[in-house]
Amino acid sequence: DTAVSQTPKYLVTQMGNDKSIKCEQNLGHDTMYWYKQDSKKFLKIMFSYNNKELIINETVPNRFSPKSPDKAHLNLHINSLELGDSAVYFCASSRRPGLAGFNEQFFGPGTRLTVL
Amino acid sequence: GEDVEQSLFLSVREGDSSVINCTYTDSSSTYLYWYKQEPGAGLQLLTYIFSNMDMKQDQRLTVLLNKKDKHLSLRIADTQTGDSAIYFCAESGNTGKLIFGQGTTLQVKP
Repeated sequence: DTAVSQTPKYLVTQMGNDKSIKCEQNLGHDTMYWYKQDSKKFLKIMFSYNNKELIINETVPNRFSPKSPDKAHLNLHINSLELGDSAVYFCASSRRPGLAGFNEQFFGPGTRLTVL
Repeated sequence: GEDVEQSLFLSVREGDSSVINCTYTDSSSTYLYWYKQEPGAGLQLLTYIFSNMDMKQDQRLTVLLNKKDKHLSLRIADTQTGDSAIYFCAESGNTGKLIFGQGTTLQVKP
Protein backbone atom coordinates (compact mmCIF):
# COMPACT_ATOMS: atom_id res chain seq x y z
CA ASP A 1 0.00 0.00 0.00
CA THR A 2 1.63 3.20 -1.19
CA ALA A 3 1.45 5.99 1.39
CA VAL A 4 2.23 8.96 -0.87
CA SER A 5 1.90 8.39 -4.60
CA GLN A 6 2.63 10.67 -7.54
CA THR A 7 1.81 10.42 -11.22
CA PRO A 8 3.45 10.41 -13.61
CA LYS A 9 6.88 9.19 -12.54
CA TYR A 10 8.50 10.62 -15.66
CA LEU A 11 7.33 13.54 -17.76
CA VAL A 12 9.09 14.71 -20.91
CA THR A 13 7.62 17.70 -22.70
CA GLN A 14 8.40 20.64 -24.94
CA MET A 15 8.99 24.21 -23.82
CA GLY A 16 5.82 26.24 -23.70
CA ASN A 17 3.51 23.32 -22.90
CA ASP A 18 1.24 23.08 -19.85
CA LYS A 19 1.44 19.99 -17.66
CA SER A 20 0.11 18.64 -14.36
CA ILE A 21 1.51 16.34 -11.72
CA LYS A 22 -0.85 14.57 -9.34
CA CYS A 23 -0.26 13.55 -5.74
CA GLU A 24 -2.36 11.47 -3.37
CA GLN A 25 -1.77 10.35 0.21
CA ASN A 26 -3.63 7.66 2.13
CA LEU A 27 -2.12 8.44 5.53
CA GLY A 28 -4.97 10.61 6.73
CA HIS A 29 -2.66 13.62 6.99
CA ASP A 30 -3.95 17.17 6.95
CA THR A 31 -0.89 18.81 5.39
CA MET A 32 0.68 18.30 1.97
CA TYR A 33 3.71 19.85 0.27
CA TRP A 34 5.43 20.25 -3.07
CA TYR A 35 9.22 20.36 -3.26
CA LYS A 36 11.54 20.91 -6.21
CA GLN A 37 14.89 19.07 -6.29
CA ASP A 38 17.35 20.47 -8.80
CA SER A 39 20.20 18.73 -10.60
CA LYS A 40 22.52 19.40 -7.65
CA LYS A 41 20.03 17.60 -5.35
CA PHE A 42 19.12 20.81 -3.55
CA LEU A 43 15.60 20.45 -2.15
CA LYS A 44 13.41 23.53 -1.87
CA ILE A 45 9.85 23.81 -0.68
CA MET A 46 7.41 25.38 -3.12
CA PHE A 47 3.97 25.10 -1.53
CA SER A 48 2.17 23.67 1.46
CA TYR A 49 -1.54 23.11 1.99
CA ASN A 50 -3.29 22.34 5.24
CA ASN A 51 -6.75 20.84 4.83
CA LYS A 52 -7.14 22.40 1.37
CA GLU A 53 -5.89 25.82 2.52
CA LEU A 54 -2.62 27.28 1.20
CA ILE A 55 -0.27 27.93 4.13
CA ILE A 56 3.18 28.15 2.52
CA ASN A 57 3.78 29.83 -0.80
CA GLU A 58 7.49 30.34 -1.43
CA THR A 59 8.84 32.58 -4.15
CA VAL A 60 7.73 30.52 -7.13
CA PRO A 61 6.77 31.84 -10.59
CA ASN A 62 3.03 32.20 -10.93
CA ARG A 63 3.19 29.71 -13.80
CA PHE A 64 3.06 27.14 -10.98
CA SER A 65 -0.38 26.66 -9.49
CA PRO A 66 -1.16 24.09 -6.83
CA LYS A 67 -4.68 22.77 -6.39
CA SER A 68 -6.04 20.75 -3.51
CA PRO A 69 -9.49 19.29 -4.26
CA ASP A 70 -9.51 17.55 -0.87
CA LYS A 71 -7.02 17.00 1.92
CA ALA A 72 -5.78 13.72 0.42
CA HIS A 73 -4.82 15.27 -2.92
CA LEU A 74 -2.49 18.05 -3.96
CA ASN A 75 -1.87 18.57 -7.65
CA LEU A 76 0.66 20.84 -9.31
CA HIS A 77 -0.12 22.54 -12.60
CA ILE A 78 2.65 24.25 -14.54
CA ASN A 79 1.92 26.63 -17.42
CA SER A 80 4.28 27.64 -20.22
CA LEU A 81 7.03 25.25 -19.21
CA GLU A 82 10.62 26.52 -19.40
CA LEU A 83 13.96 24.70 -19.61
CA GLY A 84 14.73 25.72 -16.01
CA ASP A 85 11.67 23.86 -14.77
CA SER A 86 13.46 20.57 -15.43
CA ALA A 87 13.87 18.93 -12.03
CA VAL A 88 12.46 16.21 -9.81
CA TYR A 89 9.28 17.29 -8.05
CA PHE A 90 8.41 15.64 -4.75
CA CYS A 91 5.10 15.61 -3.00
CA ALA A 92 5.05 15.02 0.76
CA SER A 93 2.50 14.88 3.56
CA SER A 94 2.50 15.19 7.33
CA ARG A 95 0.26 15.75 10.28
CA ARG A 96 -0.41 19.44 10.79
CA PRO A 97 2.91 20.92 12.00
CA GLY A 98 2.78 23.04 15.13
CA LEU A 99 4.99 26.09 15.22
CA ALA A 100 7.66 24.29 17.22
CA GLY A 101 6.42 20.75 16.92
CA PHE A 102 7.65 17.51 15.48
CA ASN A 103 7.13 17.44 11.73
CA GLU A 104 7.85 14.10 10.08
CA GLN A 105 7.13 14.37 6.41
CA PHE A 106 6.41 11.37 4.19
CA PHE A 107 7.64 11.74 0.64
CA GLY A 108 6.36 10.40 -2.63
CA PRO A 109 8.71 8.74 -5.14
CA GLY A 110 9.11 11.91 -7.19
CA THR A 111 8.24 13.01 -10.72
CA ARG A 112 11.19 13.64 -13.01
CA LEU A 113 10.22 16.49 -15.34
CA THR A 114 12.36 17.09 -18.43
CA VAL A 115 11.62 20.14 -20.56
CA LEU A 116 13.15 20.05 -24.05
CA GLY B 1 17.16 33.87 8.15
CA GLU B 2 16.91 30.12 8.22
CA ASP B 3 19.81 28.26 6.63
CA VAL B 4 21.18 24.73 6.86
CA GLU B 5 24.57 23.72 5.46
CA GLN B 6 26.26 20.40 4.88
CA SER B 7 29.35 19.14 3.10
CA LEU B 8 28.41 17.66 -0.25
CA PHE B 9 30.30 14.39 -0.40
CA LEU B 10 31.77 11.71 1.86
CA SER B 11 33.49 8.50 0.84
CA VAL B 12 34.24 5.66 3.29
CA ARG B 13 35.18 2.00 3.17
CA GLU B 14 32.71 -0.69 4.15
CA GLY B 15 32.95 -1.38 7.87
CA ASP B 16 34.29 2.08 8.73
CA SER B 17 32.30 4.73 10.59
CA SER B 18 30.81 7.62 8.65
CA VAL B 19 30.27 11.05 10.15
CA ILE B 20 28.09 13.56 8.33
CA ASN B 21 28.06 17.12 9.65
CA CYS B 22 25.52 19.90 9.45
CA THR B 23 25.26 23.48 10.70
CA TYR B 24 22.06 25.46 11.05
CA THR B 25 21.16 29.04 11.90
CA ASP B 26 17.69 29.01 13.47
CA SER B 27 18.26 28.83 17.22
CA SER B 28 14.52 28.41 17.81
CA SER B 29 14.48 25.00 16.08
CA THR B 30 12.87 22.49 18.40
CA TYR B 31 13.59 19.40 16.35
CA LEU B 32 16.41 18.53 13.98
CA TYR B 33 16.14 15.70 11.52
CA TRP B 34 18.16 13.40 9.30
CA TYR B 35 16.49 12.19 6.14
CA LYS B 36 17.89 9.56 3.75
CA GLN B 37 17.32 9.55 -0.01
CA GLU B 38 18.20 6.38 -1.89
CA PRO B 39 18.78 6.59 -5.66
CA GLY B 40 15.58 7.24 -7.59
CA ALA B 41 13.45 7.50 -4.47
CA GLY B 42 11.92 10.08 -2.17
CA LEU B 43 13.27 11.06 1.23
CA GLN B 44 12.64 8.97 4.34
CA LEU B 45 13.07 10.08 7.92
CA LEU B 46 16.07 8.28 9.36
CA THR B 47 16.23 9.78 12.82
CA TYR B 48 15.64 13.03 14.70
CA ILE B 49 16.66 14.75 17.91
CA PHE B 50 14.82 17.08 20.23
CA SER B 51 16.74 20.29 20.86
CA ASN B 52 17.11 19.75 24.62
CA MET B 53 19.10 16.56 23.99
CA ASP B 54 22.83 16.32 23.28
CA MET B 55 22.86 12.82 21.88
CA LYS B 56 20.55 10.17 20.58
CA GLN B 57 21.52 6.61 19.71
CA ASP B 58 19.50 4.24 17.57
CA GLN B 59 21.28 0.98 16.66
CA ARG B 60 24.11 1.94 14.27
CA LEU B 61 23.10 5.61 14.23
CA THR B 62 24.31 8.25 16.69
CA VAL B 63 23.12 11.85 16.48
CA LEU B 64 25.10 14.52 18.28
CA LEU B 65 23.75 18.04 18.82
CA ASN B 66 25.85 21.01 19.91
CA LYS B 67 23.22 23.68 20.40
CA LYS B 68 25.72 26.37 21.34
CA ASP B 69 27.56 25.98 18.01
CA LYS B 70 24.37 25.01 16.10
CA HIS B 71 26.10 21.88 14.87
CA LEU B 72 24.46 18.54 14.22
CA SER B 73 26.18 15.31 13.21
CA LEU B 74 25.13 11.84 12.18
CA ARG B 75 27.46 8.93 12.82
CA ILE B 76 26.84 5.61 11.10
CA ALA B 77 28.79 2.76 12.66
CA ASP B 78 29.95 -0.21 10.58
CA THR B 79 28.89 1.47 7.33
CA GLN B 80 27.48 -0.92 4.74
CA THR B 81 27.13 -0.58 0.96
CA GLY B 82 23.37 -0.30 1.51
CA ASP B 83 24.01 2.93 3.40
CA SER B 84 25.10 4.60 0.15
CA ALA B 85 22.60 7.42 -0.32
CA ILE B 86 22.14 11.17 0.08
CA TYR B 87 21.64 12.31 3.66
CA PHE B 88 19.75 15.53 4.36
CA CYS B 89 19.89 17.46 7.58
CA ALA B 90 16.74 19.51 8.30
CA GLU B 91 15.40 21.84 10.94
CA SER B 92 11.87 22.90 11.78
CA GLY B 93 11.91 26.61 11.08
CA ASN B 94 9.88 29.03 13.16
CA THR B 95 7.02 28.79 10.66
CA GLY B 96 6.72 25.04 11.19
CA LYS B 97 8.14 24.17 7.78
CA LEU B 98 11.23 22.03 7.25
CA ILE B 99 14.41 23.66 5.99
CA PHE B 100 16.73 21.17 4.33
CA GLY B 101 20.50 21.29 3.83
CA GLN B 102 22.02 20.63 0.42
CA GLY B 103 22.44 16.91 1.14
CA THR B 104 25.62 14.87 1.66
CA THR B 105 26.23 12.06 -0.80
CA LEU B 106 27.69 9.08 1.08
CA GLN B 107 29.68 6.69 -1.06
CA VAL B 108 30.57 3.35 0.55
CA LYS B 109 33.36 1.43 -1.14
CA PRO B 110 33.54 -2.35 -0.71
